[in-house]
Amino acid sequence: QPVLTQSSSASASLGSSVKLTCTLSSGHSDYIIAWHQQQPGKAPRYLMKLEGSGSYLKGSGVPDRFSGSSSGADRYLTISNLQFEDEADYYCETWDSNFVVFGGGTKLTVL
Amino acid sequence: EVQLLESGGGLVQPGGSLRLSCAASGFTFSSYAMSWVRQAPGKGLEWVSAISGSGGTTYYADSVKGRFTISRDNSKNMLYLQMSSLRAEDTAVYYCAKGGVTTPIDYWGQGTLVTVSA
Repeated sequence: QPVLTQSSSASASLGSSVKLTCTLSSGHSDYIIAWHQQQPGKAPRYLMKLEGSGSYLKGSGVPDRFSGSSSGADRYLTISNLQFEDEADYYCETWDSNFVVFGGGTKLTVL
Repeated sequence: EVQLLESGGGLVQPGGSLRLSCAASGFTFSSYAMSWVRQAPGKGLEWVSAISGSGGTTYYADSVKGRFTISRDNSKNMLYLQMSSLRAEDTAVYYCAKGGVTTPIDYWGQGTLVTVSA
């Protein structure tokens, strides 16, 4: 089954943009993933489903500032016009016929 | 509006058992696979188990296989996780989630804390 690799941390300034990366392991570069946000002390929240083509479908109520893109085995989450409430842990997820896998998560700090 | 409300968490001794429940509303429950995902204190998300919409197929992470049993009652819109032979490393917040295995998880409950300690 695939392994999802994420950087442990990232930081960016208020009002700027940041691009988070989730990398699929060798042989699994065509997998669809999902991005989830977990603000401190809260349950995770689904952000979007992202295909290898770069096509993405956001969940209900997800701001336009959030977008997705892909390149090879890499899946990206871009957050524009960063707000303090975007400071959170971000997890990628993938799935197949008999399992679900999460990446280790990226802790985003808004400076 | 989709709502998922977990219950049943608490303190249990090592080797003990506990049953978690999740009440679902706001969608056609029987049409969707459901999952349990846990998060140990200060750690990331770990998928635990999933069940098909009909309940006929179940899936488990290796870490819980043979100890945990997932089930659902589509007449009551309820999801369950029966946990036995609990270990300290099972201590975590357990989330009920809509989706998994065949589709992405697209809704999460608020979670229920399970603490395994003597």
